[in-house]
Amino acid sequence: GENVEQHPSTLSVQEGDSAVIKCTYSDSASNYFPWYKQELGKRPQLIIDIRSNVGEKKDQRIAVTLNKTAKHFSLHITETQPEDSAVYFCAASKGASGGSYIPTFGRGTSLIVHP
Amino acid sequence: GAVVSQHPSRVICKSGTSVKIECRSLDFQATTMFWYRQFPKKSLMLMATSNEGSKATYEQGVEKDKFLINHASLTLSTLTVTSAHPEDSSFYICSAQGLAVNEQFFGPGTRLTVL
Repeated sequence: GENVEQHPSTLSVQEGDSAVIKCTYSDSASNYFPWYKQELGKRPQLIIDIRSNVGEKKDQRIAVTLNKTAKHFSLHITETQPEDSAVYFCAASKGASGGSYIPTFGRGTSLIVHP
Repeated sequence: GAVVSQHPSRVICKSGTSVKIECRSLDFQATTMFWYRQFPKKSLMLMATSNEGSKATYEQGVEKDKFLINHASLTLSTLTVTSAHPEDSSFYICSAQGLAVNEQFFGPGTRLTVL
């Protein structure tokens, strides 16, 4: 099955700095890569996703890059703000029978943005 | 985005009792629902995948007789923790996936404490 590795487990930055979280996956058939943000005690929320036919996607201060050959993808947050502090999860998935996609999640990165 | 509700948000029960958790998709039809377990500061661990009208598919190591999942309609799935023990205490999160999208929408989670 799919195996997703996520690094670092903890990331501490100063407000205004950039933050980068990296993930690798093992199954070359995976074709959908979402990123989730989970604040303490709350549900994970999708913040950005990328499909295997695209190398990069950007949404304001958040960008995701995908390298299919190397099987790794990264989340980039620029101009970080204290409200960006949360746990971020990457995931990799592919289409399954019945049309559903079953993602495999990384272990999560706890991002702390110091004001 | 779509809304997924989960009830109850918190439950405390005695060891040996059973607890039912409901997951509802409020504004879309969820062909697939997922049940996750999350320990403090840990990632989302997929317990089972359920499709409406069929038996749930359990992940390796998850006891199907202990964690009963029913997906009776396109908007409701239930997880029943039978004969709960203190080691079952955890944060249980459901997610729902619609037909045309592969995005998952998460419920707010249920904090189960077994005394």
